[in-house]
Amino acid sequence: DAKTTQPTSMDCAEGRAANLPCNHSTISGNEYVYWYRQIHSQGPQYIIHGLKNNETNEMASLIITEDRKSSTLILPHATLRDTAVYYCIVRVANTNAGKSTFGDGTTLTVKP
Amino acid sequence: GAVVSQHPSWVICKSGTSVKIECRSLDFQATTMFWYRQFPKQSLMLMATSNEGSKATYEQGVEKDKFLINHASLTLSTLTVTSAHPEDSSFYICSAPGGGNGYTFGSGTRLTVV
Repeated sequence: DAKTTQPTSMDCAEGRAANLPCNHSTISGNEYVYWYRQIHSQGPQYIIHGLKNNETNEMASLIITEDRKSSTLILPHATLRDTAVYYCIVRVANTNAGKSTFGDGTTLTVKP
Repeated sequence: GAVVSQHPSWVICKSGTSVKIECRSLDFQATTMFWYRQFPKQSLMLMATSNEGSKATYEQGVEKDKFLINHASLTLSTLTVTSAHPEDSSFYICSAPGGGNGYTFGSGTRLTVV
């Protein structure tokens, strides 16, 4: 799995958009970008994933640069419940391809 | 969607005893499951890959005889921490390939060894 780099922490005001960046400059052509989040003392929760096109679901949007070396997760209207550690992971999409390697993630704190 | 059930959610045990943690895929079959360990304020670290019908694959530095893994069926993997010591106290999480997003994680088990 390609290595990812994320800022250690970020703050966001409640109701505003939270933009979480991730660098993955060594990403391979067959690797997808996955985002998970982990709320304290819980297992990671899937958020979104993409290959090269921008993606949107009910939770978030994922913007991937054209060269695929970085991406941004966008939570459009952050709430207090979005406070968590957010992990950006790159790996092949095949579900049997192997393990996920977690970096240190970004601790997002949403403030009232 | 895919659900992975992990039990117990927390356990306290005495030093020297063994603890078993179960990981079940509820609505899909998983020939492979992954076990992670997470210390406070740290990221998840992969411990081993559990394979149904064969031996588990352990990551470098993880003691096979201490962390026994059994993948008894296509929906159940267990992790047994043998002769637990306080330094084994951690948050243990399993995951399985399944569901539209590729991987589903259990809710984790908080192990405290006293």
